[in-house]
Amino acid sequence: DAGVIQSPRHEVTEMGQEVTLRCKPISGHDYLFWYRQTMMRGLELLIYFNNNVPIDDSGMPEDRFSAKMPNASFSTLKIQPSEPRDSAVYFCASGPAGPSYNEQFFGPGTRLTVL
Amino acid sequence: GNSVTQMEGPVTLSEEAFLTINCTYTATGYPSLFWYVQYPGEGLQLLLKATKADDKGSNKGFEATYRKETTSFHLEKGSVQVSDSAVYFCAYSSASKIIFGSGTRLSIRP
Repeated sequence: DAGVIQSPRHEVTEMGQEVTLRCKPISGHDYLFWYRQTMMRGLELLIYFNNNVPIDDSGMPEDRFSAKMPNASFSTLKIQPSEPRDSAVYFCASGPAGPSYNEQFFGPGTRLTVL
Repeated sequence: GNSVTQMEGPVTLSEEAFLTINCTYTATGYPSLFWYVQYPGEGLQLLLKATKADDKGSNKGFEATYRKETTSFHLEKGSVQVSDSAVYFCAYSSASKIIFGSGTRLSIRP
């Protein structure tokens, strides 16, 4: 299994531009999570999906952030417009049914720099 | 509210030293407990887990015991290696989510 795949691995953009991060979860996993990691705030859960349906988006910082999961094998996290304070590493993770009792599998992350 | 508290880093040890990273949690019910590890430039990966009181999780020489009476899940290793240098996260399950601690950076000197 290839594991969770994220693209791009690195993204540098200018303030005000739209940024789209992509994730392919592990086949057969029912849950998908988006996290953000910064030195100041640590690891933050932004949103998670169950069977392609958003369950909890309370961690999404503001309306500039949106996430979709059109099918079981693909999800996007979009930032529009981007700001320098959005610079962080964004991780996607997936998990099988009942993640309370199972591990989450993390992708390698996308390092976003907003100038 | 629910939270995980782990010892602040960085922790620096010499190779073959004994390691303890403390972790306590505040949660209702009987959550599953985890230690995740993040190597430089990578995502987090599960190191070990315990699903009920008095369970001991172990992997790669690391151990942690689920202590409900003290709400703790301390990570230990008897003899650390340079390759153990990483950031370690204590975590617990909450509904369909995992709540992570702030992470402890561990550096091992040769």
